[in-house]
Amino acid sequence: GAVVSQHPSWVICKSGTSVKIECRSLDFQATTMFWYRQFPKQSLMLMATSNEGSKATYEQGVEKDKFLINHASLTLSTLTVTSAHPEDSSFYICSAKRDTQNIQYFGAGTRLSVL
Amino acid sequence: QKEVEQDPGPLSVPEGAIVSLNCTYSNSAFQYFMWYRQYSRKGPELLMYTYSSGNKEDGRFTAQVDKSSKYISLFIRDSQPSDSATYLCAMSAVNFGNEKLTFGTGTRLTIIP
Repeated sequence: GAVVSQHPSWVICKSGTSVKIECRSLDFQATTMFWYRQFPKQSLMLMATSNEGSKATYEQGVEKDKFLINHASLTLSTLTVTSAHPEDSSFYICSAKRDTQNIQYFGAGTRLSVL
Repeated sequence: QKEVEQDPGPLSVPEGAIVSLNCTYSNSAFQYFMWYRQYSRKGPELLMYTYSSGNKEDGRFTAQVDKSSKYISLFIRDSQPSDSATYLCAMSAVNFGNEKLTFGTGTRLTIIP
């Protein structure tokens, strides 16, 4: 199966600091990647669609200045949570889509705790 | 009405039983149908995917899609305690231009040893 690596798996930061999460597709090219947020016992909530070489498309209600997405290569997308606050604490998951199929492969997720 | 409906469970069955998980949907444009397994505090893992209608089998898992009824199923045979997880159905439309996945709410499954 396709492998998507997400790093870090867990991060704790102080309020007001910024945190960067990386998502890499290890064995296929991914023009399109996605970033999700998941609250306990709930399904995944799409935050944004990341396209290589262009600006990300954010879902309604997601602050693009708070959640900066960069997709600089066909295998790497990053999500930066800027000026993090305790309400940003959550489980963030990325996925990558094969260019030839509309199937998403997910990373292991990043647990963010903002103190 | 949600685009995708999935019974949230929880569902508990004894080890060795056959498990049936189901989703219904309303959007006739959906062409790709997927089942993901998610363990606690982990990302979803792709189990099965089907394009359009039909059945697909992989080991103990069988996925069925009935587009006429807008109904998909995942069957797990000889269930094992390691199958205990949340199962998410997901679906999407064509390859380009509408690539978002629409998820069910997930069914929490527990296999009792």
